[in-house]
Amino acid sequence: EIVLTQSPDFQSVTPKEKVTITCRASQSIGSSLHWYQQKPDQSPKLLIKYASQSISGVPSRFSGSGSGTDFTLTINSLEAEDAATYYCHQSSSLPLTFGPGTKVDIK
Amino acid sequence: EVQLVESGGGLVKPGGSLRLSCAASGFTFSSYSMNWVRQAPGKGLEWVSSISSSSSYIYYADSVKGRFTISRDNAKNSLYLQMNSLRAEDTAVYYCARDAPLYCSSTSCYEPPFDYWGQGTLVTVSS
Repeated sequence: EIVLTQSPDFQSVTPKEKVTITCRASQSIGSSLHWYQQKPDQSPKLLIKYASQSISGVPSRFSGSGSGTDFTLTINSLEAEDAATYYCHQSSSLPLTFGPGTKVDIK
Repeated sequence: EVQLVESGGGLVKPGGSLRLSCAASGFTFSSYSMNWVRQAPGKGLEWVSSISSSSSYIYYADSVKGRFTISRDNAKNSLYLQMNSLRAEDTAVYYCARDAPLYCSSTSCYEPPFDYWGQGTLVTVSS
């Protein structure tokens, strides 16, 4: 099973600040790494697919990078509406797995 | 507009059974693989099961293998999860989620993420 670890677990950020969340896979997964945003009491929403591919309708301040085992989600100029938990997810092999999540709070 | 609407959750005793349904609309259901993903209260996301568009390929997490059965009815645009021998640790919100279209480069194709999710249905296993 591919284990995904995320850091940090929690981040408190002021609006307009830049946020960086990392996801590390226990073995190489190429670019089969995806990012989701989940706001309280809502279902997850796909933000970035295949490490760096943008999703229609997702603000351009969200971007992703990485390959192999190390990946990054960047939120440029954080807005209040970005308060949420962010999860990485790998589709390289079964069982499909998710990272534990990174909660982003707005100061 | 793509819509996924889960139903069938509720309170069930340990050892009991429940059948979840997911009604799909706004896309050609028979062309997409579908999935169940769960989230225990206050916890992260856990993949449960996947089924291919024609039901030819079915996969389960080890935690539910032998107890849960995924199925679909393409004529009814519906996805199902039959859950038997339920345990307290199965308590969670269960989401149905659609596979995004397959991405292929010039040399390979890559398994997709989940591009649409339902609102979830809560399953509580408790005596």
